[in-house]
Amino acid sequence: KQEVTQIPAALSVPEGENLVLNCSFTDSAIYNLQWFRQDPGKGLTSLLLIQSSQREQTSGRLNASLDKSSGRSTLYIAASQPGDSATYLCAVPQGGSEKLVFGKGTKLTVNP
Amino acid sequence: GAVVSQHPSWVICKSGTSVKIECRSLDFQATTMFWYRQFPKQSLMLMATSNEGSKATYEQGVEKDKFLINHASLTLSTLTVTSAHPEDSSFYICSASKRETSPNEQFFGPGTRLTVL
Repeated sequence: KQEVTQIPAALSVPEGENLVLNCSFTDSAIYNLQWFRQDPGKGLTSLLLIQSSQREQTSGRLNASLDKSSGRSTLYIAASQPGDSATYLCAVPQGGSEKLVFGKGTKLTVNP
Repeated sequence: GAVVSQHPSWVICKSGTSVKIECRSLDFQATTMFWYRQFPKQSLMLMATSNEGSKATYEQGVEKDKFLINHASLTLSTLTVTSAHPEDSSFYICSASKRETSPNEQFFGPGTRLTVL
């Protein structure tokens, strides 16, 4: 059974700092991995989707990497801004199915 | 685009009543729709998967007679919480996938906050 762990559970940084969020998963037989952002009381916004054949994906100040063999992914946020404050979730498929298994998220606070 | 809407965004009801939540894909046809539940400070947990015109597949521990799912068209799925109780209070989020995108790329709705008094 796929399990997803995100570390740290919470992170507080000053504005402008670069930071890394970590995600690990137990079953490396995945075909992609997604990173999402969730604002309080809101739904999910997809940030990046990495295919299993890819090592990383970039979107603006965000860069996500994937190491399938070790069951790890990182989300790098450059030059953080207060507007980046949110909970970041990673998710991977359960087995070969369409079902997504989510981590508990990392709550990021960027202080002005 | 790939926009998914949910209605209502929040609902408060009395214990014992039924509540219907709608999930719509606005600009694409959704081959599959998913319903998740999120309790405070917890992650999303998949409740059920539904495909248009067929019965939903429920995850272990989710009562299918309590959480009725109807996927009548390629753009609409509904979740009805029957005889709701306070422990059903939660944030319900739907998602939808479309065939022409990467397998398992899901597009999420904004969620519905259910409070049962």
